[in-house]
Amino acid sequence: DGGITQSPKYLFRKEGQNVTLSCEQNLNHDAMYWYRQDPGQGLRLIYYSQIVNDFQKGDIAEGYSVSREKKESFPLTVTSAQKNPTAFYLCASNAIEAGYGYTFGSGTRLTVV
Amino acid sequence: DQQVKQNSPSLSVQEGRISILNCDYTNSMFDYFLWYKKYPAEGPTFLISISSIKDKNEDGRFTVFLNKSAKHLSLHIVPSQPGDSAVYFCAASARRMNYGGSQGNLIFGKGTKLSVKP
Repeated sequence: DGGITQSPKYLFRKEGQNVTLSCEQNLNHDAMYWYRQDPGQGLRLIYYSQIVNDFQKGDIAEGYSVSREKKESFPLTVTSAQKNPTAFYLCASNAIEAGYGYTFGSGTRLTVV
Repeated sequence: DQQVKQNSPSLSVQEGRISILNCDYTNSMFDYFLWYKKYPAEGPTFLISISSIKDKNEDGRFTVFLNKSAKHLSLHIVPSQPGDSAVYFCAASARRMNYGGSQGNLIFGKGTKLSVKP
């Protein structure tokens, strides 16, 4: 079955460490997105990519980095520069030419300990 | 500045009654609107959408109404069921809008938490 997979489901990080969240899709979607969800904040866009080897900053890109070396993969690195990294992270993808709807992964809960 | 607003953070409804979730937007370039449903610790799932050329779209118990002049849309759930309890996100998109350099990106509201009581 086609879908979008995020791993791990739960992740713990010590302060000062970088950590990478995985996002893989087999939907042949061109575009991929990373969102962060905090209570009362909704979904805030971190980074997005519409094509391999290209990506753009979203609203809250500071302290994060991404890469898009393959169409299927869009990993997000939370760096030590992110001051408040504890959150629920969501990856999404869509086929730009097919319409507007996104398919979301099941999310990764990152906790800084 | 929020372009998509869900002004009610929460809503409580009795089972069997109607749930009405509201969403307002400010950008007249939006031409497509979607509702997503999200359970805790899960990703949002697509629920229903509407194009700006329509004013109503219905899918089973779910109906979305669009009032372009008021820049307002609403999601009606009838009858409401306990399994409908979740956070509902309104989202908008515009093919012609250059949001952060990319057309077609979805812009989300902050969500409304719906609780349907048995």
